[in-house]
Amino acid sequence: EIVLTQSPATLSLSPGERATLSCRASQNIGSSLAWYQQKVGQAPRVLIYDAYNRATGIPARFSGSGSGTNFTLTISTLEPEDFAIYYCEGRRYWPPGTFGQGTKVDIK
Amino acid sequence: QVQLQESGPGLVKPSETLSLTCTVSGASVSNVIHYWNWLRQSPGKGLEWIGNIFYIGTTKYNPSFRSRVTISVDTSKNQFSLRLSSVTGADTAVYYCARDDKLMYDYWGQGIRVTVSS
Repeated sequence: EIVLTQSPATLSLSPGERATLSCRASQNIGSSLAWYQQKVGQAPRVLIYDAYNRATGIPARFSGSGSGTNFTLTISTLEPEDFAIYYCEGRRYWPPGTFGQGTKVDIK
Repeated sequence: QVQLQESGPGLVKPSETLSLTCTVSGASVSNVIHYWNWLRQSPGKGLEWIGNIFYIGTTKYNPSFRSRVTISVDTSKNQFSLRLSSVTGADTAVYYCARDDKLMYDYWGQGIRVTVSS
């Protein structure tokens, strides 16, 4: 079973700053990784698939990188609406996909 | 646009069967591209995939749920459903239905909170 470990658990930043979120897989998953954003009371929303492809309608300030076991989600300039919880999901051996435990980006 | 909506009881008694339905609009559950999924989210276990179904009725389930889970599809109503038997308090969670194209869950329902309690 693939385990995804996200770090940090919480990231405290101010609007306008850059956010860098990490997701580490317990084994090689190639580029089969997606990133989701979840706000309080809402379902997750896909941001990135296949490690670096932005999903439809996702702003360019969101970017994904990495392959193998190390992945990064970068938000270049935080907007007020970006404060949320972010999850990575590994899909190399889909189904099932495996989710990380999440990184909360909150306002400093 | 594509919308998914979960429905069903918000309270289920221990040992009984949890039954939820996902109604899809703006897309067909009969298309040959997408898989239709159930997931859940709880504070203790985070986001957890339960299983999925393809329009011809082919299913895949998370082994963690063993023989407790059944997912079915009703193409005439454009719906798919979840049944989870012998529930306990550990099954208390927000349940989501979601569409999957093998790359991502691209559309989700709003979620339905289900509490298992007597």
